[in-house]
Amino acid sequence: AQKVTQAQTEISVVEKEDVTLDCVYETRDTTYYLFWYKQPPSGELVFLIRRNSFDEQNEISGRYSWNFQKSTSSFNFTITASQVVDSAVYFCALGEYGNKLVFGAGTILRVKS
Amino acid sequence: GAVVSQHPSRVICKSGTSVKIECRSLDFQATTMFWYRQFPKQSLMLMATSNEGSKATYEQGVEKDKFLINHASLTLSTLTVTSAHPEDSSFYICSARTPNQGLGYGYTFGSGTRLTVV
Repeated sequence: AQKVTQAQTEISVVEKEDVTLDCVYETRDTTYYLFWYKQPPSGELVFLIRRNSFDEQNEISGRYSWNFQKSTSSFNFTITASQVVDSAVYFCALGEYGNKLVFGAGTILRVKS
Repeated sequence: GAVVSQHPSRVICKSGTSVKIECRSLDFQATTMFWYRQFPKQSLMLMATSNEGSKATYEQGVEKDKFLINHASLTLSTLTVTSAHPEDSSFYICSARTPNQGLGYGYTFGSGTRLTVV
């Protein structure tokens, strides 16, 4: 069965600090997809990244970066120089090919000025 | 890009009444849509998967007679909460599977519906 674990329930940092959100997944599939979403207080899910299981290249997008390691079944997300606007709930999700997404419990990120 | 429109964004209803939530794909055909429920400070839990023209597949523990899902067209899926009770108050989010450029699929989410049953 698929499972996503986000062990960090809540993280608080001061603005400009770097922060890493952890995500560990379990699946028996060889083809799968990993996602990160941001959910601000409004509730809408904001797509951040999608990564295929056969593409282990790390990715950087502005202040965001992702580290995908199949050997440890992890897909961690780092925000560099955090800002108050980064405060939100962040979800990691795992999807089989074309099928449903399984979400982690989410990590609440609070960035204080 | 693919857009999914979900309405209403907020609804308050009386206990015992039914509420319909619509999820529309605006610029693509969505053969598969997903309905999630999210309680306060919790994660998104999949309720059901709906495929156009066929019956929805419900997750274990979800009452199919209470949460009616209809996916009669390639651009519209609806979730009806029948005989709503206060414990049904939650945030409901729909998602459509979208063909992704390159390999595989993506998922586009609606903006969610906050249901309050009084």
